[in-house]
Amino acid sequence: AQSVTQLGSHVSVSEGALVLLRCNYSSSVPPYLFWYVQYPNQGLQLLLKYTTGATLVKGINGFEAEFKKSETSFHLTKPSAHMSDAAEYFCAVIVGRYSTLTFGKGTMLLVSP
Amino acid sequence: NAGVTQTPKFQVLKTGQSMTLQCAQDMNHEYMSWYRQDPGMGLRLIHYSVGAGITDQGEVPNGYNVSRSTTEDFPLRLLSAAPSQTSVYFCASRDSYEQYFGPGTRLTVT
Repeated sequence: AQSVTQLGSHVSVSEGALVLLRCNYSSSVPPYLFWYVQYPNQGLQLLLKYTTGATLVKGINGFEAEFKKSETSFHLTKPSAHMSDAAEYFCAVIVGRYSTLTFGKGTMLLVSP
Repeated sequence: NAGVTQTPKFQVLKTGQSMTLQCAQDMNHEYMSWYRQDPGMGLRLIHYSVGAGITDQGEVPNGYNVSRSTTEDFPLRLLSAAPSQTSVYFCASRDSYEQYFGPGTRLTVT
């Protein structure tokens, strides 16, 4: 079975600083990996996904993530944080067409002026 | 194309009451699922379906029932509501690997 670990339930950055949200996965077969964002009192929005091909994946709002098989990681980064990035971010993994999508517990990103 | 829709958006129940959370999708997706979201717990899978007539349990199925009579609809039934079922519920449908979420139902059980 697959699993996801997100390091840090809360991450605080200053506006303009680098954003780094960590995600490690466990899977016995090649995974498909996702990052979702949830703004307060809203649903989940897909930020980016890795399925196959290029390991550096670019998403919406300037975010990107790199799939590192040797480290079983899929960390999310953004060079310069904006106040509007404050939200909860979820990493998720799936290993097959009919397998379940498994989520990490989420990381709340706090951005200060 | 409405995507995934959920009704109601908010609901308050008394302990012991039953209700059905509705979910519908218009994308002809085979795979649908229900999650509950609780603070610090992420999203946990309740039940899922890989097609009409086929359902299976997820991580936290107790107290919930589902059925899938059509491709479009996947209702979630609470048989006898308990305060532990206070949560936000999300329905989702999937095309291959990308999952699309509904807006959620916020349920409070008193």
